[in-house]
Amino acid sequence: DTAVSQTPKYLVTQMGNDKSIKCEQNLGHDTMYWYKQDSKKFLKIMFSYNNKELIINETVPNRFSPKSPDKAHLNLHINSLELGDSAVYFCASSRQTSRSGELFFGEGSRLTVL
Amino acid sequence: GQSLEQPSEVTAVEGAIVQINCTYQTSGFYGLSWYQQHDGGAPTFLSYNALDGLEETGRFSSFLSRSDSYGYLLLQELQMKDSASYFCAVRPEGTALIFGKGTTLSVSS
Repeated sequence: DTAVSQTPKYLVTQMGNDKSIKCEQNLGHDTMYWYKQDSKKFLKIMFSYNNKELIINETVPNRFSPKSPDKAHLNLHINSLELGDSAVYFCASSRQTSRSGELFFGEGSRLTVL
Repeated sequence: GQSLEQPSEVTAVEGAIVQINCTYQTSGFYGLSWYQQHDGGAPTFLSYNALDGLEETGRFSSFLSRSDSYGYLLLQELQMKDSASYFCAVRPEGTALIFGKGTTLSVSS
């Protein structure tokens, strides 16, 4: 059983389109995250939800809209895709306000915008 | 603001020992974490240091000095499969875990 699963794994689309990535975790964690990893492997926090409530929004363009229908799911919708959105998007989860620094990552969704 | 500095690349041979250093500047500090990421894979948690000193887990050890805002990851008896990127990370006040830019470790035979 995969702990944190994301779909789709690969996404190739044209500029201007809208796309969504879905994430689910079966670890019973309260907190979920979206990270973006660019071509230089820099991992940057985008959003965090705790028990369906948005708690972190790190100056991400409002074309990006996360949604958490329940604490086991966190989706990411991106409007009007731009070339610079090409990256690997990682979903992660942790226990509530985990201070151990231990996040559980999904396998990533590689988005390519043409 | 917050920042983490680590070397961009390290090379070593099988069987050797390698140390990857990390210095950090952050507002609020709970501890230093280390992650491993193979090409095309997900970051996976390796270790966490909340207090000063050395934590050992098998071939990998991690060290923290809070007074120096410094830590390192020590990898012993290197194997080819250890070739990967290694990230240090901290969780500042009010935000999620932030990562260094990663160190690419290449292990050759």
